[in-house]
Amino acid sequence: GENVEQHPSTLSVQEGDSAVIKCTYSDSASNYFPWYKQELGKGPQLIIDIRSNVGEKKDQRIAVTLNKTAKHFSLHITETQPEDSAVYFCAASKGGGSNYKLTFGKGTLLTVNP
Amino acid sequence: GAVVSQHPSWVICKSGTSVKIECRSLDFQATTMFWYRQFPKQSLMLMATSNEGSKATYEQGVEKDKFLINHASLTLSTLTVTSAHPEDSSFYICRGANYGYTFGSGTRLTVV
Repeated sequence: GENVEQHPSTLSVQEGDSAVIKCTYSDSASNYFPWYKQELGKGPQLIIDIRSNVGEKKDQRIAVTLNKTAKHFSLHITETQPEDSAVYFCAASKGGGSNYKLTFGKGTLLTVNP
Repeated sequence: GAVVSQHPSWVICKSGTSVKIECRSLDFQATTMFWYRQFPKQSLMLMATSNEGSKATYEQGVEKDKFLINHASLTLSTLTVTSAHPEDSSFYICRGANYGYTFGSGTRLTVV
């Protein structure tokens, strides 16, 4: 089955700096890669996603890059703010549709220090 | 759009009792609902996939008789933890399919 590795497990940055979280996946058939933000005691919230026919996607301060050959994808947050502090999860899925299972990474605790 | 309402948000129950968790898709029809379990500081682990009008598909190692899933309508899926024990204490989250990847807000179950 699919295996998703996520690094780092914890990341601390100063407000205004950039943060990068990286994930690798094992199944070359995976073609959908969402990123979730989870605040304490809440369900995960989709913040950005990318499909395998695209190499990069950006939404304001958040961007995701995908390297299919190397089977890794990354989340980039620029101009970080204290409210960006949360746990971030990457995931991978085959099929690309919402009916398909997601395999999650172990998560990254991001702390943005004011 | 694509809201999944999950209730209760937290519940404390005595060991040996059963607890029902509900997930409703408010503005879309979810023929499929995924149920996850999350222990503190850990990732989300898929427990089972429920399909409207048919039996749920359970992941390896998940006890079907302990975690009963019912998906009787296109807008409601329920997870019942039967004969709960302290080791069942966890954060349970549902995710609706058919429209995006929207998660419910989660249920914190504490078994005492």
